[in-house]
Amino acid sequence: GQQLNQSPQSMFIQEGEDVSMNCTSSSIFNTWLWYKQDPGEGPVLLIALYKAGELTSNGRLTAQFGITRKDSFLNISASIPSDVGIYFCAGHAAGSARQLTFGSGTQLTVLP
Amino acid sequence: NAGVTQTPKFQVLKTGQSMTLQCAQDMNHEYMSWYRQDPGMGLRLIHYSVGAGITDQGEVPNGYNVSRSTTEDFPLRLLSAAPSQTSVYFCASSRGEAGYTFGSGTRLTVV
Repeated sequence: GQQLNQSPQSMFIQEGEDVSMNCTSSSIFNTWLWYKQDPGEGPVLLIALYKAGELTSNGRLTAQFGITRKDSFLNISASIPSDVGIYFCAGHAAGSARQLTFGSGTQLTVLP
Repeated sequence: NAGVTQTPKFQVLKTGQSMTLQCAQDMNHEYMSWYRQDPGMGLRLIHYSVGAGITDQGEVPNGYNVSRSTTEDFPLRLLSAAPSQTSVYFCASSRGEAGYTFGSGTRLTVV
């Protein structure tokens, strides 16, 4: 199946710092999605990207659909304690229209 | 609006037992899917359905069956539980290629 390489695996940052994480694939993707998962809950959609080069913001979060269609990044600015959680990239690979593939996640810890 | 509802939230099974994980959505989404989440491995697709009466296999379908008799419901059946099926199971639904809505999960332990 398709694979998404997400990095870093974990991050420890100070409150107020900016955060960046990314996802890469060897295959072309038609959509990129970024999710956040809190402990004991299901993933919640943060940002959806549908076109190569697209840059989309949601409050302090910004994500981009890479121009090669093989990568995406998520930035979080001015981190706060409630940003703690696991962030997943996900996407629909070209030719796999309805099957959503997930990265392995980035565990974010925000230190006061 | 309940979104995606999964039951039960927790379950312990003995090896060889069978059970059904329930999933229901009230958003009239045509697409539904089941994922399992294991530590360090993200979410892996088990089975999915693009509409009532239509199902297909995902990345890790062995040991699981699904059916889609209605738009709202998409149950996942474990035929003969094995310890390797200990995991957290998530159901999700979507309309078109819009973002997927996930349930809160079923935590299954097979002993």
